[in-house]
Amino acid sequence: DGGITQSPKYLFRKEGQNVTLSCEQNLNHDAMYWYRQDPGQGLRLIYYSQIVNDFQKGDIAEGYSVSREKKESFPLTVTSAQKNPTAFYLCASSIRVRDETGELFFGEGSRLTVL
Amino acid sequence: AQTVTQSQPEMSVQEAETVTLSCTYDTSENNYYLFWYKQPPSRQMILVIRQEAYKQQNATENRFSVNFQKAAKSFSLKISDSQLGDTAMYFCAFMKQRRADKLIFGTGTRLQVFP
Repeated sequence: DGGITQSPKYLFRKEGQNVTLSCEQNLNHDAMYWYRQDPGQGLRLIYYSQIVNDFQKGDIAEGYSVSREKKESFPLTVTSAQKNPTAFYLCASSIRVRDETGELFFGEGSRLTVL
Repeated sequence: AQTVTQSQPEMSVQEAETVTLSCTYDTSENNYYLFWYKQPPSRQMILVIRQEAYKQQNATENRFSVNFQKAAKSFSLKISDSQLGDTAMYFCAFMKQRRADKLIFGTGTRLQVFP
């Protein structure tokens, strides 16, 4: 089935450690996104990518990094510089960033807890 | 800047009844899209319904319909004949035309459907 796969589903990290969240899609979409979800705050955009080897900062990019070496993959690294990394992270994709449907397809999410 | 407000953090409804979730937004744009996304307890968020601002007719998808009041900047979701599977967090979202990187989410409404 086509879709978006995120891993791991749950992750624990000690303070000061970097951690990488995986996101893979087989929908042949050009655009991919990373959102952070906190209780009572909705979803906030961290980074997005319009095409391979391109990515742009979203609203809350500080302390995060991404890469887009393959169309199917858009991993997110939460660095030790992120002051409050405990959150639920959602990966999404769309046909293109400038697509008139505007529909995003989401993965099941990764919950990161910093101990 | 655009904002999206969902003033009902939690709602509940009995199975087979009808429930309406509220959403208001603020924008100076004339061309935009509005969405309702559903995030069930399994966490994979899916698109429920979509409305183009230039269309006066309210969108409907089976048991889901919207009441779009452009002048009042209101976009409510009506769920008819509620089912247990409708239990989820519902997010209202705003998008400038053809700019999925500018998707703005509300804080969500948690809906519980009781038997």
